[in-house]
Amino acid sequence: AAGVIQSPRHLIKEKRETATLKCYPIPRHDTVYWYQQGPGQDPQFLISFYEKMQSDKGSIPDRFSAQQFSDYHSELNMSSLELGDSALYFCASSFEVPAIQYFGAGTRLSVL
Amino acid sequence: RKEVEQDPGPFNVPEGATVAFNCTYSNSASQSFFWYRQDCRKEPKLLMSVYSSGNEDGRFTAQLNRASQYISLLIRDSKLSDSATYLCVVNIGGTYKYIFGTGTRLKVLA
Repeated sequence: AAGVIQSPRHLIKEKRETATLKCYPIPRHDTVYWYQQGPGQDPQFLISFYEKMQSDKGSIPDRFSAQQFSDYHSELNMSSLELGDSALYFCASSFEVPAIQYFGAGTRLSVL
Repeated sequence: RKEVEQDPGPFNVPEGATVAFNCTYSNSASQSFFWYRQDCRKEPKLLMSVYSSGNEDGRFTAQLNRASQYISLLIRDSKLSDSATYLCVVNIGGTYKYIFGTGTRLKVLA
């Protein structure tokens, strides 16, 4: 069965650079979520989209933005990267809410 | 105080043991509850949803106590492959927000 696809799997950037993470949800899933997981920490909710509209917002820095496109894939744009942005970024998708979220394998971002 | 709290562990148990984890939540608007398991540096994977009546899936049993605002996970006959971090996840009713607990680390020893 198709799963949530995230790209790239690994990304290395320098401070003050920008990064774009992509997420392709499971087919027919209409809701996408983004999470940030720092070393030794639990996943922190950043933002979610339902039917291409932002549905909820968590602890997402102003330097980050995200959107969901007409094909339901989502992109997380991160600008002015800081060392503290180094983390695993997970995308999850679900069909409606409350519902089971299925997670992608994550993008490991390292900011040097 | 975090909205969803778990004992971080680690819980070190021998193979075959029974182990139980609790997770407490503070938001009374919490509506749906899940247990996920996460292996090191990998994505969280759903273990089970938690229903009011309690539910069982093989060696795993989950229970919800709304009055005391906690959920529990019981693992019977622990296997080495059960070693992982177990994350409690709570959905706040009427929102698309899912709050993760800090996770409980389990190590099953041979």
